Amino acid sequence: AQSVTQLDSHVSVSEGTPVLLRCNYSSSYSPSLFWYVQHPNKGLQLLLKYTSAATLVKGINGFEAEFKKSETSFHLTKPSAHMSDAAEYFCVVSERAVIYNQGGKLIFGQGTELSVKP
Amino acid sequence: GAGVSQSPSNKVTEKGKDVELRCDPISGHTALYWYRQSLGQGLEFLIYFQGNSAPDKSGLPSDRFSAERTGGSVSTLTIQRTQQEDSAVYLCASSLVNEQYFGPGTRLTVT
Repeated sequence: AQSVTQLDSHVSVSEGTPVLLRCNYSSSYSPSLFWYVQHPNKGLQLLLKYTSAATLVKGINGFEAEFKKSETSFHLTKPSAHMSDAAEYFCVVSERAVIYNQGGKLIFGQGTELSVKP
Repeated sequence: GAGVSQSPSNKVTEKGKDVELRCDPISGHTALYWYRQSLGQGLEFLIYFQGNSAPDKSGLPSDRFSAERTGGSVSTLTIQRTQQEDSAVYLCASSLVNEQYFGPGTRLTVT
């Protein structure tokens, strides 16, 4: 069974300092991994995705994540936080849809709320 | 281009009533998913459509929940005899290959 664990429910950083949001996954198959962001009262937006190409994945708004199979981790980082980064972040795993009817439903972590102080 | 749209954006209903939630996926996307986001349970998968068929209904919480998709496009999620624990935001997503695009959700409140 697949699962995702986000190690921190809440992270607080100062503007201009680095961001690290931690995620560990469990999957029996070769996983696809994603980070989504949800701003207050807004929909889910895809930040970045890993689908077995490069292990260092770059996303939008300066975010990146590194897939480490040996550690079963997919941590999200950003060198310098901006006030507009304050939101909830979800680490997500999906079985790659190898077979037509297997879907590819997303399994979400519990979310990490990121606060950015001025 | 147009993204995934959902209607209504908000729905307040009395316990025991039936509700229908609608999802319009991105044009051409063959896969459609329903998820539910609630305070206690986080984000949970409900059902997946490929075309008009639903190969995976494993997330539907009870037989009060059903969904259909017609013409490979619009989908309707129906909740019969609503209960207070059904209160949540219901999210729809569509995809062509690997990446799922989410709609803004329908906030359902059961009073």
